[in-house]
Amino acid sequence: DTGISQDPRHKITKRGQNVTFRCDPISEHNRLYWYRQTLGQGPEFLTYFQNEAQLEKSRLLSDRFSAERPKGSFSTLEIQRTEQGDSAMYLCASSLGGTGSNQPQHFGDGTRLSIL
Amino acid sequence: GQNIDQPTEMTATEGAIVQINCTYQTSGFNGLFWYQQHAGEAPTFLSYNVLDGLEEKGRFSSFLSRSKGYSYLLLKELQMKDSASYLCAVGRGSYIPTFGRGTSLIVHP
Repeated sequence: DTGISQDPRHKITKRGQNVTFRCDPISEHNRLYWYRQTLGQGPEFLTYFQNEAQLEKSRLLSDRFSAERPKGSFSTLEIQRTEQGDSAMYLCASSLGGTGSNQPQHFGDGTRLSIL
Repeated sequence: GQNIDQPTEMTATEGAIVQINCTYQTSGFNGLFWYQQHAGEAPTFLSYNVLDGLEEKGRFSSFLSRSKGYSYLLLKELQMKDSASYLCAVGRGSYIPTFGRGTSLIVHP
């Protein structure tokens, strides 16, 4: 048990549908990250929150992707009009952070998305 | 931008020592992480280096040379359960680690 939960664990959907994933981080962690990982690759950064503020988004993230962390606790990642290339493992990670601080990230088990 | 390079795959024998190298080019470097990831599982934190030198933690050690943009992870007394992917991740100014592709380590009897 990593302390971070992601839901669902698996999602299979048809191309063009919208999907939403949820992440519940470790409760005292103020930083939350979303990554995408495909087979044989390392996690690829998507977006990052400090508390409820979304501080950075990858330039690779298209307009079809949106993330929220409304109360600085759980987060959701939505993909609209899914495409074949969106098939991947979506990982959530959280960490403690403050000015000048670099803390290790704790990862959830991920949501595996398969686009038919 | 960042460029992180590590070998794709390595094999080693149970009980042996293996060194996994990682080279990087980045701006605003503020530390280097190593993670272990078993197939189908989440990455788990192994080590963090921000200063030059060797950090030892049980069977695992990690080394950093900032001037050379180079790190390695050293695994001693290899066990079968050490078969996994080892991810090098470079921290930068905004404290968002960027991951390399990972090195798949296969430990055989």
